Amino acid sequence: NAGVMQNPRHLVRRRGQEARLRCSPMKGHSHVYWYRQLPEEGLKFMVYLQKENIIDESGMPKERFSAEFPKEGPSILRIQQVVRGDSAAYFCASSLGTATYEQYFGPGTRLTVT
Amino acid sequence: QQPVQSPQAVILREGEDAVINCSSSKALYSVHWYRQKHGEAPVFLMILLKGGEQKGHDKISASFNEKKQQSSLYLTASQLSYSGTYFCSRTNAGGTSYGKLTFGQGTILTVHP
Repeated sequence: NAGVMQNPRHLVRRRGQEARLRCSPMKGHSHVYWYRQLPEEGLKFMVYLQKENIIDESGMPKERFSAEFPKEGPSILRIQQVVRGDSAAYFCASSLGTATYEQYFGPGTRLTVT
Repeated sequence: QQPVQSPQAVILREGEDAVINCSSSKALYSVHWYRQKHGEAPVFLMILLKGGEQKGHDKISASFNEKKQQSSLYLTASQLSYSGTYFCSRTNAGGTSYGKLTFGQGTILTVHP
């Protein structure tokens, strides 16, 4: 059973460009979470999605960031008009359910904004 | 408010034991422990649920005090592979998004030969 997959693993963008991060959950998992980790810091929740629905986006910046988890295909985290402060590791995690289920993390996408 | 972990860092020799503590000012529904090595993804270790149920790693044990809203992770007979940053995280009690994890600041564990 393949684990959580994320691509690309590394992404370099110039200020003002768009970044698209993709996440394919583990087989059978319908709950997807995105977390951001700034250098030398802990993980911060961004958004929680189930198929075709955003359940909680309380951790997402109000502007420039959006996420989706379509019926078919991977979950996408989209950052428009990137700024230097967006440079971070973005991790996706998936689970079978919510609070009583473990979340399995993908390898992350390391975004560098130049 | 994120959970608070202590200590912030621990240095051990192989074979020694360590305890990492995690406390929360918000009501806990479940506590999840992860280990992250530098440049890698967090790896699931243990989940502790209200009522005493636990799921996780065979060689790691943990406790969950619901009244005090605290959890502790016990690492015994440490190995070099235990080195990394340990994060506790909590899920909220109730609400529609009680699956999201709020992480502590991490405890850096270093095991020397």
